[in-house]
Amino acid sequence: EAGVVQSPRYKIIEKKQPVAFWCNPISGHNTLYWYLQNLGQGPELLIRYENEEAVDDSQLPKDRFSAERLKGVDSTLKIQPAELGDSAVYLCASSLGTGAGELFFGEGSRLTVL
Amino acid sequence: AQSVAQPEDQVNVAEGNPLTVKCTYSVSGNPYLFWYVQYPNRGLQFLLKYITGDNLVKGSYGFEAEFNKSQTSFHLKKPSALVSDSALYFCAVRDQAGTALIFGKGTTLSVSS
Repeated sequence: EAGVVQSPRYKIIEKKQPVAFWCNPISGHNTLYWYLQNLGQGPELLIRYENEEAVDDSQLPKDRFSAERLKGVDSTLKIQPAELGDSAVYLCASSLGTGAGELFFGEGSRLTVL
Repeated sequence: AQSVAQPEDQVNVAEGNPLTVKCTYSVSGNPYLFWYVQYPNRGLQFLLKYITGDNLVKGSYGFEAEFNKSQTSFHLKKPSALVSDSALYFCAVRDQAGTALIFGKGTTLSVSS
C-alpha cells in the first residue's frame, strides 16, 4: 500500500513569491494534517481536515497561508507571499479518524526562501 | 492545554548498552501517547503507542515504552542499542477528545560503536 505522498520534496524561491505543496494521503484515511517543522524542532500543527472540512486551523497564519482539500482526498497548502521565516519542512500526515489512531507521515517538502 | 516535554536534547549511548529517551506529558483526562523516529531528510515513522491497558508497550525495531500515570511519563527504552538506532526521536500526546497530536521538541539519539 502506498504511503502519504508529498511534492515537491524541495523548493527554493525568492521572498514574496508564491509556493504550493501537494499531498496525497493514504487511501481511505479521512483525516489529513499539515505540520510545520523548523530545524531541530518538533512538528507543529498548521491545519487538520476531517474529510473536506478544516476542523482545526487555529495555528494557520491566514494572512499568507491557505489550504484546501477538495473532495476530501488530496490537499494543497499555499503560501503567498513567502517570507524568509517560512523556510522549513512542511509535513503532511493522514490517519483513520482521530483518537487512538497513529498518524502516517509523508517525506515532507523542504522550503528555502531566499 | 496539552503539552509534551523531552528534557534531553541529546542522548549518547554505546552500542549494546540499554537506552532510555525521556518524555513527560500534560493532558486533560487520559492520554494517547506515541513515539516517532525521524531519520535525516525523511518523514516521521511511527514506533509505538499507548492507548490503555498494559503499561509496557512494545513496538517496532525492539523498542518499548513504559507508561507511568503518576509521573505522567512515557519513556522510550531499548535493552541493547544499535548504531542504526541513531536518529531523532519524538514523543507525542493527544487527549481522548481527539484533538491534534502535539509533539515534543525531539531528542537526538547517538549510538557509538
